[in-house]
Amino acid sequence: TQLLEQSPQFLSIQEGENLTVYCNSSSVFSSLQWYRQEPGEGPVLLVTVVTGGEVKKLKRLTFQFGDARKDSSLHITAAQPGDTGLYLCAFSGTYKYIFGTGTRLKVLA
Amino acid sequence: DTEVTQTPKHLVMGMTNKKSLKCEQHMGHRAMYWYKQKAKKPPELMFVYSYEKLSINESVPSRFSPECPNSSLLNLHLHALQPEDSALYLCASSQVGTGVYEQYFGPGTRLTVT
Repeated sequence: TQLLEQSPQFLSIQEGENLTVYCNSSSVFSSLQWYRQEPGEGPVLLVTVVTGGEVKKLKRLTFQFGDARKDSSLHITAAQPGDTGLYLCAFSGTYKYIFGTGTRLKVLA
Repeated sequence: DTEVTQTPKHLVMGMTNKKSLKCEQHMGHRAMYWYKQKAKKPPELMFVYSYEKLSINESVPSRFSPECPNSSLLNLHLHALQPEDSALYLCASSQVGTGVYEQYFGPGTRLTVT
């Protein structure tokens, strides 16, 4: 069974701080997605990374795919209360998505 | 347009009721999915439809009955549910085939079984 472990599970920080969320597995992925989910809403796709070593930026969010394509990280610079939510990594197998264990982020004003 | 719509937004039903959840997408995706999500947990896959045919059933109890009338619509029929079935039900869609494909999620239906 392929598993995606995320760390930390929960993070509470002050507005303006930086943070990094990690997504790790023992398996190699052809691609990996990151989602953000707000309470009571569906996950919203943030980015897809495909190439080992790839770095993608989305405003204050920086996503990196590990060289061996077994891990990924999400770095948020100068976090804002609007960044609060559940962050999920996921990879797509044949017809199936495997979600990570999730990181719950709370940014305090 | 990457929108997946779901209705209703909220649903409260008794254990003897019959209700249906609806999902619609107009992105031309030929794979559609139902997920169940409990509080503070990742979504759990329930069903996958590919080209309007059921391709995956993750051992879901028969009180949940999916239906895909056409390539844009997906329904989930509910009957004789239990209180532990209360959860957020998410619909998603994606392309089908090899290569990278991304799933797009609807806003979900918050189901409460009393």
